[in-house]
Amino acid sequence: EDQVTQSPEALRLQEGESSSLNCSYTVSGLRGLFWYRQDPGKGPEFLFTLYSAGEEKEKERLKATLTKKESFLHITAPKPEDSATYLCAVQKYGNKLVFGAGTILRVKS
Amino acid sequence: DADVTQTPRNRITKTGKRIMLECSQTKGHDRMYWYRQDPGLGLRLIYYSFDVKDINKGEISDGYSVSRQAQAKFSLSLESAIPNQTALYFCATSENRDTGELFFGEGSRLTVL
Repeated sequence: EDQVTQSPEALRLQEGESSSLNCSYTVSGLRGLFWYRQDPGKGPEFLFTLYSAGEEKEKERLKATLTKKESFLHITAPKPEDSATYLCAVQKYGNKLVFGAGTILRVKS
Repeated sequence: DADVTQTPRNRITKTGKRIMLECSQTKGHDRMYWYRQDPGLGLRLIYYSFDVKDINKGEISDGYSVSRQAQAKFSLSLESAIPNQTALYFCATSENRDTGELFFGEGSRLTVL
């Protein structure tokens, strides 16, 4: 069965304190791995797509990386506005997305 | 205005009542989806549609039905609501290709008493 597990469930950081969120998956025939950001009371917003092991994508203070078993979302020098829930999802060829439960990130000033 | 609009945003109903959640989009996408979000479980796919004549069940379709009235409109119905259908429901769209980049509405919070 395809599974996506995100850790930690919640993370509290001080402003400027870099850290990483983890997304581990068990999927045969991975087509792509996707990261989304979700603000309270809003729908998820697409961040990145990663297709192959070793691939990296960056956007402002966020960098996503992919291995054969997991993906990391690295947050460098976070700011309070980075506070959100970060969702990971995987897609097999011809199949729909399977989402993880998310990591709730809180950045305090 | 939002590209993907859901109505109502919040609804409280009673067990056994029929409820409809509506979704409309201005993105011009053919593909539309209904997801349910529960704490600790992530987003789960209820139904999806690749065009007006195409409706497909997702992983948790029991107790739900959908209607694709037009390219831009996709509604979700609960024929007889039950308390464990209390959740946050999201409509999403994607371009006409096998992409994982979805565009979500702001959600409809449903409470079934």
